[in-house]
Amino acid sequence: AQRVTQVQPTGSSQWGEEVTLDCSYETSEYFYRIFWYRQLFSGEMVFLIYQPSFDTQNQRSGRYSVVFQKSFKSISLVISASQPEDSGTYFCALSAPTGGNNKLTFGQGTVLSVIP
Amino acid sequence: DMKVTQMPRYLIKRMGENVLLECGQDMSHETMYWYRQDPGLGLQLIYISYDVDSNSEGDIPKGYRVSRKKREHFSLILDSAKTNQTSVYFCASSFGGGSDYTFGSGTRLLVI
Repeated sequence: AQRVTQVQPTGSSQWGEEVTLDCSYETSEYFYRIFWYRQLFSGEMVFLIYQPSFDTQNQRSGRYSVVFQKSFKSISLVISASQPEDSGTYFCALSAPTGGNNKLTFGQGTVLSVIP
Repeated sequence: DMKVTQMPRYLIKRMGENVLLECGQDMSHETMYWYRQDPGLGLQLIYISYDVDSNSEGDIPKGYRVSRKKREHFSLILDSAKTNQTSVYFCASSFGGGSDYTFGSGTRLLVI
């Protein structure tokens, strides 16, 4: 069974601060990917970054990076120099293909507010 | 512009009515998905489709069925809608191995 847990229902930061959002997951698969999405207030899901399990290097994309702790089945999203436009709901999602099923299993989400 | 399009964006139905949610994609993705999103629960998978007429139940398929007669089109059907099916429904697609998922903008369904 696959499970994703985001224990922070909400978070906040001041403009310009670094923000860290946490996620833990469960899977018995060896190969998997962890995705981070931001949901805009309109409902649109925006892809941010993903980490493949076989890559020991933390992925980075612009102001987004992850801290991947594979042995703890934990991954954090780090947003540098946060801006008010970063406000929204952040979802961690796991893709661990089992029998060809590429479904994403989502966490509950963290609502982030960046205060100007 | 590569995208997933959902219609309609908003829908109000009475309990017992049939509901059809439509999803289209222009990327020739093999795999398509229907999720529902409820407050505090993230997105939950209803059905997955691997290609035309190749559909499988997701985690919460009860009360739903799907149809995929063309690769670019995937429909979600609620026969005799219930009030607990009030939710936001998202369609998504991915190419094969699933490293590239594209989501639609969602359909907000209210069943009264």
